[in-house]
Amino acid sequence: EIVLTQSPATLSLSPGERATLSCRASQSISRYLAWYQQKPGQAPRLLIYDASNRATGIPARFSGSGSGTDFTLTISSLEPEDFAVYYCQQRSNWPPLTFGGGTKVEIK
Amino acid sequence: EVQLVESGGGLVQPGGSLRLSCAASGFTFSSYVMSWVRQAPGKGLEWVSAISGSGDITYYADSVKGRFTISRDNSKNTLYLQMNSLRAGDTAVYYCATIGESSGYYVGLFDYWGQGTLVTVSS
Repeated sequence: EIVLTQSPATLSLSPGERATLSCRASQSISRYLAWYQQKPGQAPRLLIYDASNRATGIPARFSGSGSGTDFTLTISSLEPEDFAVYYCQQRSNWPPLTFGGGTKVEIK
Repeated sequence: EVQLVESGGGLVQPGGSLRLSCAASGFTFSSYVMSWVRQAPGKGLEWVSAISGSGDITYYADSVKGRFTISRDNSKNTLYLQMNSLRAGDTAVYYCATIGESSGYYVGLFDYWGQGTLVTVSS
């Protein structure tokens, strides 16, 4: 099973600041990594797929990078609606499909 | 517009059973691999099960293997999850999701999600 480790667990930032979230895989997953955003009481929403491709309707301030075992989600300038929990997920080798533990981006 | 609407959640005693349903619309249901994902209160996302477009191939997380059964009725555009021998650890919001077109490049990518249904296992 491929384990995904996200860091930090919590990121405290102000609107307008840059957010950098990390996801590390226990073995190489090429670029088969996705990022999801989840707000309280809502289902997750796909943001980024295949490491760096934005999903339909996702603003350009969200970008993804990485390959192999190390990946990054960057939010260039935080908007009030971006404060949420972010999960990474791999589809390189499944079953099982696996998610990281999540990073909460909170208002400082 | 893609819509996934789960139902069937509720309170059940340990050892009991429950069947979840997910009604799909807005896309060619039979062409898509479907999945269930759960989220325990205050916790992260856990993949539970998946099923091929035709329904002939199924996959399960080790935590539910032998207790849960995924199925689909393509004539009714509906996905199911039969949950037996329920435990307190199964308490969670259960989401259904599309994970790509069968034989497509993006199989395994959760592109559309339902709103979830809460299952509580407690005496």
